[in-house]
Amino acid sequence: DAKTTQPNSMESNEEEPVHLPCNHSTISGTDYIHWYRQLPSQGPEYVIHGLTSNVNNRMASLAIAEDRKSSTLILHRATLRDAAVYYCIPGMIKAAGNKLTFGGGTRVLVKP
Amino acid sequence: DSGVTQTPKHLITATGQRVTLRCSPRSGDLSVYWYQQSLDQGLQFLIQYYNGEERAKGNILERFSAQQFPDLHSELNLSSLELGDSALYFCASSVGDSGANVLTFGAGSRLTVL
Repeated sequence: DAKTTQPNSMESNEEEPVHLPCNHSTISGTDYIHWYRQLPSQGPEYVIHGLTSNVNNRMASLAIAEDRKSSTLILHRATLRDAAVYYCIPGMIKAAGNKLTFGGGTRVLVKP
Repeated sequence: DSGVTQTPKHLITATGQRVTLRCSPRSGDLSVYWYQQSLDQGLQFLIQYYNGEERAKGNILERFSAQQFPDLHSELNLSSLELGDSALYFCASSVGDSGANVLTFGAGSRLTVL
């Protein structure tokens, strides 16, 4: 299984962008890159995922390096509600089953 | 409301006992996943079912078992409970069974073993 490396924590000011890096140098060519987040006292929630191209949705943008060994989740304007632990997870699309494995994640603190 | 329903929300029991956690997936989802989250271990993948069949297994203890029923709901059975089994247990569901699928998580069942 591909391993990921994320910073333990990051701080941001409200309404400023947040760039969350993830290193996944052992990812295979068929693994999607998923991002989930977990708000305090809640279950994880899906943020975004992609394979090769950069992706945008209403929550965030995902920038994937050309060699796919790293990616960056971008929260364009952080709000207090974005304070959470953010997980970067590779997901295999061809292996039987889906063992999405969460690592330690990055704890994001948003300051007003 | 994510559409994934977990019961009970809270459960307190004693060591050596057995409990069953229940999960109803989101409508239309065929895959169900179980995760354990304790303070010192983070989110640990336990097991995945797809349309009634076991598809992937993580670090699930032999004292734990799960199944997915024909109506697609799933149950996680925890037996011979130990203090260390105290944790949040999350169920998630997805349409398909591969790593391209997006998981929707329930609110979790908090188990306390005294």
